[in-house]
Amino acid sequence: DAKTTQPNSMESNEEEPVHLPCNHSTISGTDYIHWYRQLPSQGPEYVIHGLTSNVNNRMASLAIAEDRKSSTLILHRATLRDAAVYYCIPGVYGGATNKLIFGTGTLLAVQP
Amino acid sequence: KAGVTQTPRYLIKTRGQQVTLSCSPISGHRSVSWYQQTPGQGLQFLFEYFSETQRNKGNFPGRFSGRQFSNSRSEMNVSTLELGDSALYLCASSPGWLNYGYTFGSGTRLTVV
Repeated sequence: DAKTTQPNSMESNEEEPVHLPCNHSTISGTDYIHWYRQLPSQGPEYVIHGLTSNVNNRMASLAIAEDRKSSTLILHRATLRDAAVYYCIPGVYGGATNKLIFGTGTLLAVQP
Repeated sequence: KAGVTQTPRYLIKTRGQQVTLSCSPISGHRSVSWYQQTPGQGLQFLFEYFSETQRNKGNFPGRFSGRQFSNSRSEMNVSTLELGDSALYLCASSPGWLNYGYTFGSGTRLTVV
């Protein structure tokens, strides 16, 4: 399983962009990069995933470095509801490896 | 559409007892996974079931077991409860195929006294 390094915590102001970094230097060529977040008192929530190229969805964008050793989750305009722990999880879906290995994540605080 | 439903939400048990937790996945999802979350260890994978078969297992003792029914609903059982089993137990469902995200339930908070 690839190891990840994320900042323990980050702060942002409401309505400003947030860039959440993740290093995953031991990622294998077939691992996707998944991001989940966990709001207080809730289960984790899927945010986005990608393999090589940058990805966008209604929640966020995912920028993946060319060497795939790092990625950045981008929240374009942070809201108070985005305050959560964000987890970067390399891995492969499907078959016997169908599991998520959570690290410690980044606690994002959003100030009004 | 209805999300992942876990019952009960809260549970208090005594050391040595056993407990069964239930999870109803999103309709059409065939994969159900279980996770344990504690302040000390964070989120840890317990096991995953797909079409009634355990497909993947985490590093937990044999006291932790699970099963999945033909309607994809799943149960997990913990026997001979220990104080350290106090945790939030989360269930997640997915269609089961490559590239699909998991949908988590809100969890069952188990307290062992």
